[in-house]
This record gives sequence, C-alpha cells and structure tokens, in this order.
Amino acid sequence: DTEVTQTPKHLVMGMTNKKSLKCEQHMGHRAMYWYKQKAKKPPELMFVYSYEKLSINESVPSRFSPECPNSSLLNLHLHALQPEDSALYLCASSPSGDGWWWQFFGPGTRLTVL
Amino acid sequence: GQQVMQIPQYQHVQEGEDFTTYCNSSTTLSNIQWYKQRPGGHPVFLIQLVKSGEVKKQKRLTFQFGEAKKNSSLHITATQTTDVGTYFCAGQAGTALIFGKGTTLSVSS
Repeated sequence: DTEVTQTPKHLVMGMTNKKSLKCEQHMGHRAMYWYKQKAKKPPELMFVYSYEKLSINESVPSRFSPECPNSSLLNLHLHALQPEDSALYLCASSPSGDGWWWQFFGPGTRLTVL
Repeated sequence: GQQVMQIPQYQHVQEGEDFTTYCNSSTTLSNIQWYKQRPGGHPVFLIQLVKSGEVKKQKRLTFQFGEAKKNSSLHITATQTTDVGTYFCAGQAGTALIFGKGTTLSVSS
C-alpha cells in the first residue's frame, strides 16, 4: 500500500459544528503532516507529528485540534470554524521527520464553512 | 523568516515548446524537492535534489540544484498537454518544507 487516504473527500459545516478529518497511511511512515491549501496558493503547513508526537504547530488557531492515535492515523478535529477556514486540507506522510525525505500527499478534504 | 521565491507565477506555452521554472531561497537548503499538482488534484512528489550542482533527468524533465544550494530549476523539453498543472519547489529547512508559490503551466495544442 503506497498511498495516503483521507476522509471525507468533501465536507460542508456550519460555524457551530464539530467535525473531524481523518488521514491514514500504511507505509510505515513515522512523520505525518497537516497542510491547508487555499486556491492558487501553495500548501501551508499546520502541524507535524513525528513518531506520534506533535513536533511542529505553526501557530494554528485552537479551533483546529490535531490528534495522532497511532503511527498510521492522523485526525484533525474542527470546532467553531470561520468561513475563511474553507480550503483544501491535505495530509501527508514521510518515512521520518528528520527533514531528509519527501512527502506523500493524500487527495485532501475540501472543506466549506458556511 | 525563510522564503523560497518561485518564478514565473504563470506560463502559457504552445505544445512542443520548452518550459522552465526557477526557485531561489534566501538561505542555504539541505535539499530541494519538486512537486506537481494537477488541477483539482493534490501535490505529487517528482524529485529530490541533495548535492550541490546536482542535475537529474526524468524523461523530458531536467532538474538542477545550484552550487550554493540556494536555487533550483525545472526544465521541461517539448511540453505536452499532460504537463499542465502547478509545479512547486519546496526547500527543506530543518524538519519543515518551505514551498514556493508555484508556477502554473498551461499548454495549448
């Protein structure tokens, strides 16, 4: 299995809703990432988990809460989002978090906040 | 903070013409990676360059890493309609990838 899967593919939520995005990889990778991508912009790093520990949090608002239950799974819990949070949310994984490997991206979850 | 500048932002070519995108970092990079994102798709890894002055080829694509490990380029020879998409360079600085803004390539047949 050489892919990163993400669910759901699309999500529409209101500003008072709570929802979660899920990411899974079975490549044995030990680093996993959450990115946010707006249209016609590069991916913007949100969080990095290395060996299941949060190693980077790029000053992301607390309405985004990451979780890494095990080495294959990464979740992003969403609560009280704003319309400007609408974007493509990409998960990626890498063999290790030491900065010497490329990243495999999942297909993303397209989020719309109403 | 560290930045990776990428030019041009957009490029339109006729099928068969060549295309080049350039990246320049404000600091020395440990490596540079290139990704391609098709319209409506997600970034897909193309290649990683690590050594100073490195040149790598993948069929019609040629990637270069500068001697000072601060700049890089991607050159596509004889573009095809399948080359359409946005090409991102990403410089590795520590454990984080710093993405350039991307070059969006359109090709008309």
